[in-house]
Amino acid sequence: DQQVKQNSPSLSVQEGRISILNCDYTNSMFDYFLWYKKYPAEGPTFLISISSIKDKNEDGRFTVFLNKSAKHLSLHIVPSQPGDSAVYFCAASAWDNTDKLIFGTGTRLQVFP
Amino acid sequence: DADVTQTPRNRITKTGKRIMLECSQTKGHDRMYWYRQDPGLGLQLIYYSFDVKDINKGEISDGYSVSRQAQAKFSLSLESAIPNQTALYFCATSQQGLGTDTQYFGPGTRLTVL
Repeated sequence: DQQVKQNSPSLSVQEGRISILNCDYTNSMFDYFLWYKKYPAEGPTFLISISSIKDKNEDGRFTVFLNKSAKHLSLHIVPSQPGDSAVYFCAASAWDNTDKLIFGTGTRLQVFP
Repeated sequence: DADVTQTPRNRITKTGKRIMLECSQTKGHDRMYWYRQDPGLGLQLIYYSFDVKDINKGEISDGYSVSRQAQAKFSLSLESAIPNQTALYFCATSQQGLGTDTQYFGPGTRLTVL
């Protein structure tokens, strides 16, 4: 049973536009959410996170929104740049098991000129 | 220099062989993890260790064993490799008390079992 779902395996966006990557979860015990970015032949790198006590967290061009009632979070990238082309993984951890991250299947973002 | 290193980066082996994947970190973190990634799937936790004397099974530990030789080193072994263990393997580290569950990943080891 996939507790963290990224239903869009790929997304293509024009440079300068907004990229919106979505993630849904089923476990109501999750209270911390992270986004990781992965380039080919490299390990995932931490991008941004959000605690369940917030509904928005911003870091430069990256903003994560959390809708707890819908068990949904999204990552917005504005403006998108070609260097943002990568696979993005959503991950979550539960309040009673903070060291175990549950990952989604990833969304491949391609930003074209 | 990379904070989390993995060796080898690529390995091709045959069914039944014993394989060891090694992970080293210079971040000084006390927690280390092994994950595998299969095409179309997210990262799945194999084993994790909170310190040298603490080893825990993850979601998919069958067929794998680990050794935490030191705070900085965490090895993953496949005692008798089988083809469905062909995957990309990642090591990660984290530090309790940093206030987040952020994990820092190595570059990965691509393992092929023929």
